[in-house]
Amino acid sequence: DIQMTQSPSTLSASVGDRVTITCRASQSISSWLAWYQQKPGKAPKVLIYRASSLESGVPSRFSGSGSGTEFTLTISSLQPDDFATYYCQQYNSYLWTFGQGTKVEIK
Amino acid sequence: EVQLVETGGGLIQPGGSLRLSCTASGFTVSSNYMYWVRQAPGQGLDWVSVIYSGGNTYYADSVKGRFTISRDNSKNTLYLQMNSLRPEDTAVYYCATYDCSGTSCYPSYWGQGTLVTVSS
Repeated sequence: DIQMTQSPSTLSASVGDRVTITCRASQSISSWLAWYQQKPGKAPKVLIYRASSLESGVPSRFSGSGSGTEFTLTISSLQPDDFATYYCQQYNSYLWTFGQGTKVEIK
Repeated sequence: EVQLVETGGGLIQPGGSLRLSCTASGFTVSSNYMYWVRQAPGQGLDWVSVIYSGGNTYYADSVKGRFTISRDNSKNTLYLQMNSLRPEDTAVYYCATYDCSGTSCYPSYWGQGTLVTVSS
């Protein structure tokens, strides 16, 4: 199985901050990576797919980069609605695996 | 519009059985790779099972031999039969699938989830 390691597990930030979350795969997954945002009691919502493609309707302050084994999600200017938990997911294998999650908290 | 609606969750005693359903609209279940993903309280997302469009099925080691994924093409519905349930199976169960409307497929569609609580 492909293991996904996400860091940090918790991030304290202020509105307007630039935020970066990292995800590392245990083997190359090319660009078959998605990033999700999840709020309490809700299903995950895809933000980024194929490592850097922005899902329709997602604000442009969200961006993704990377390929192979190293990936990054960046929020250029954190907004109040962005305080949530973020997950990376590989779909290079049809046996999906997820990162452990990063909770973005208000500083 | 694509929609996935899970039902069938509830409170069940250890060792019991439960069948979850995921009714789809806006696409054909049998033409897609369909997934079950679960999330234990306060924890992350874990893949449980997948059924390929061709019918092959795969399971996480933690549920192999106890859970069975299937689909009813006439009802456009995905199922997860869960037997020999354990307290550690307590979670919100989501069904999910790919969006293949663009140039490449990616995981995009998720249901709202159904809560399974295994407790005496």
